[in-house]
Amino acid sequence: TQLLEQSPQFLSIQEGENLTVYCNSSSVFSSLQWYRQEPGEGPVLLVTVVTGGEVKKLKRLTFQFGDARKDSSLHITAAQPGDTGLYLCAGRINKLVFGAGTILRVKS
Amino acid sequence: NAGVMQNPRHLVRRRGQEARLRCSPMKGHSHVYWYRQLPEEGLKFMVYLQKENIIDESGMPKERFSAEFPKEGPSILRIQQVVRGDSAAYFCASSPPGRGGMNTEAFFGQGTRLTVV
Repeated sequence: TQLLEQSPQFLSIQEGENLTVYCNSSSVFSSLQWYRQEPGEGPVLLVTVVTGGEVKKLKRLTFQFGDARKDSSLHITAAQPGDTGLYLCAGRINKLVFGAGTILRVKS
Repeated sequence: NAGVMQNPRHLVRRRGQEARLRCSPMKGHSHVYWYRQLPEEGLKFMVYLQKENIIDESGMPKERFSAEFPKEGPSILRIQQVVRGDSAAYFCASSPPGRGGMNTEAFFGQGTRLTVV
């Protein structure tokens, strides 16, 4: 059983479209992190959210932490082919655990 | 400040041999995590270590796998008598000592891709 459920598992969209990826859990997390991983590389940290209801923006990426600190979302505006990759959410309780990831493919 | 360094990047072993994967954390980081990843899947937690201590090994297989993080030197993930099912990418992440233990960020190495033939 996955502690963090990510959806969708796979997303294929055209360049310029918007998308949202979700990360849900029944557990409360002290913080939640989003990573992006490209093939053959290690995950790279995008953002950490700590406060319930927090919203952080990173260029075309908007991250939100749920009020109850059990869920988070990542919204990408006007997706570009360079956004292609595996997006992982990770939550910390006493150790850092990951969701299964969302594979995003952006076609030009 | 160098990032998390893992070596080797690629490792090929025959069934029954031993695999030793090394991870040097970022400077100042005293916590190390090991994860395993199959193609196009997420990361599966294996073990969480601090210097000279195993904090959580709930994700480690009961046999053949062991991990250490000595006072000096890199963290080592050791797989004895490898089998084909051990083929995967193994990632290490490090984080600094916690401020209240919780909100520290983890940074990853580039992984070791183990192939068992």
